[in-house]
Amino acid sequence: KNQVEQSPQSLIILEGKNCTLQCNYTVSPFSNLRWYKQDTGRGPVSLTIMTFSENTKSNGRYTATLDADTKQSSLHITASQLSDSASYICVVSASAGNNRKLIWGLGTSLAVNP
Amino acid sequence: DSGVTQTPKHLITATGQRVTLRCSPRSGDLSVYWYQQSLDQGLQFLIQYYNGEERAKGNILERFSAQQFPDLHSELNLSSLELGDSALYFCASSVAPRTGDEQYFGPGTRLTVT
Repeated sequence: KNQVEQSPQSLIILEGKNCTLQCNYTVSPFSNLRWYKQDTGRGPVSLTIMTFSENTKSNGRYTATLDADTKQSSLHITASQLSDSASYICVVSASAGNNRKLIWGLGTSLAVNP
Repeated sequence: DSGVTQTPKHLITATGQRVTLRCSPRSGDLSVYWYQQSLDQGLQFLIQYYNGEERAKGNILERFSAQQFPDLHSELNLSSLELGDSALYFCASSVAPRTGDEQYFGPGTRLTVT
């Protein structure tokens, strides 16, 4: 069964600290993995996309990693800011011929406190 | 601003009623997706249209239906509303129908069923 699991469910950190969010998936056949940031009450916004051959990709203070062998991805946030408070969602794309699917994780809720 | 517009922003209605949510995709995007997000829940994919045709179906109830018009805007119709249908409904668009393409989300419509 195609699944995306994220951990932790929620996280509280102090401003300026780093944190790492995890995403484990059992999706086959894997096409790509995307991290979205969703501010409360707003639509998600894409942060990064990773394909099978990519190990690391950065977008400013956000760095995503992908280990296709262990089917794990992480999102590392460096020098957190109050505006990083949001839900971070891992989305995995499965694609086989005409059969295509997006599997959404439930997200990690991050709170950055002053 | 993602370029995706949704109307109305808020909707309050009674059980048993029917409502229509409207979405205009970004200029040039041919694919439209609908999602439901209940309070403190993850995004649930409902349905996708590409250039007027249904492309993929998710967890959409039989009471719900959608369509995409020739001008590419889309409408989501919710009927025989129940209290449990109260949620944020997001529309997203992408250029092509390929799974994994970046989706640009609208601001959402908050539906409250009383």
